[in-house]
Amino acid sequence: KNEVEQSPQNLTAQEGEFITINCSYSVGISALHWLQQHPGGGIVSLFMLSSGKKKHGRLIATINIQEKHSSLHITASHPRDSAVYICSNNSADKLIFGTGTRLQVFP
Amino acid sequence: EPEVTQTPSHQVTQMGQEVILRCVPISNHLYFYWYRQILGQKVEFLVSFYNNEISEKSEIFDDQFSVERPDGSNFTLKIRSTKLEDSAMYFCATTNTPSNEQFFGPGTRLTVL
Repeated sequence: KNEVEQSPQNLTAQEGEFITINCSYSVGISALHWLQQHPGGGIVSLFMLSSGKKKHGRLIATINIQEKHSSLHITASHPRDSAVYICSNNSADKLIFGTGTRLQVFP
Repeated sequence: EPEVTQTPSHQVTQMGQEVILRCVPISNHLYFYWYRQILGQKVEFLVSFYNNEISEKSEIFDDQFSVERPDGSNFTLKIRSTKLEDSAMYFCATTNTPSNEQFFGPGTRLTVL
């Protein structure tokens, strides 16, 4: 069964802290996506990666295909980073979503 | 920057009524998807659509659901006879090729009373 697991489910941090969110998946994939869902519900794509590492500003995503594991890191976290971060894998022309990690960054 | 749009943003309906949710994809995108998110739960795949036909659908996408691209621009999701459990946020997503990232619309919140 194609499953995506994320940890932790909830995460609180002080402004400036380094954040790591983990994602494991059970089935081989063509690509893995990291998405951000804001309190209003809108979903924004952060990264799509199939190998190695990608960086965009303070966000870094890594993936280990052999271990079926990916991580999203946020450096120098800020209250505006507060959102739900969702890992999803692109399998057979659809996205399978993890349950999300709710991040709250306090000033 | 091009974006996916969805209408309405919020739809309230009575149980048993038909609803149509609309999505306008990014203009050069040919692959379309509907997802739903029940409050407090994870996002779930409903259906993918390409070349005027369904590519894949989930168990959720039963005979009460249908999709079409009636006029070459809108991509619609119809729920024939809504149930209370259809209350959710429905997201449309589109892409130019399945190996690329999907772009999500802002969602339609459906409330079935």
